Amino acid sequence: GAVVSQHPSRVICKSGTSVKIECRSLDFQATTMFWYRQFPKQSLMLMATSNEGSKATYEQGVEKDKFLINHASLTLSTLTVTSAHPEDSSFYICSATLGRVAGYNEQFFGPGTRLTVL
Amino acid sequence: GDSVTQMEGPVTLSEEAFLTINCTYTATGYPSLFWYVQYPGEGLQLLLKATKADDKGSNKGFEATYRKETTSFHLEKGSVQVSDSAVYFCALGENTDKLIFGTGTRLQVFP
Repeated sequence: GAVVSQHPSRVICKSGTSVKIECRSLDFQATTMFWYRQFPKQSLMLMATSNEGSKATYEQGVEKDKFLINHASLTLSTLTVTSAHPEDSSFYICSATLGRVAGYNEQFFGPGTRLTVL
Repeated sequence: GDSVTQMEGPVTLSEEAFLTINCTYTATGYPSLFWYVQYPGEGLQLLLKATKADDKGSNKGFEATYRKETTSFHLEKGSVQVSDSAVYFCALGENTDKLIFGTGTRLQVFP
């Protein structure tokens, strides 16, 4: 149980185009989803926290207009990288939570999406 | 702010060797501590956790003890297997449910 999928797993696009990445909780309803970015040999950096039906909360330094997050249902969140540039090339990972259980809110991670902007 | 520091990899071991991956943290409050594992081509999975000082998390032969006095949460396993080859992430979480990750340590186990 608690499986999270991401689509696509890899995407290559031209500079200036927009790319949408989907994150789905397959067998549970996720109260909250998180979006992370991972650079090579570096840690996962939290980009934003999204709750179903409300606006995402972005971390400091993350451009809201650049990285659009929509959390339309309890099983789907999307990240759209708008007007992508080569510096946006990265590995994007989402996670989803069930909500607090015994004081702890475990995150279940998707397999990630590799974005390459040419 | 809060942060996590873990040893750089890769860590290369022979099968049945003893494993230690060091992790230290800085935090203003009383965080929970986690180890996540990422197998090739897969998402991160929770390996073990500890929610308060002196707690020991354990799973699949891996152990880590929450040491408040040394602000550490080192991962250990007595006898590694080839199937343990993966990237291991130390992380801390506070009441906001956000996780702060270390940079990850790649473990390579050879037969």
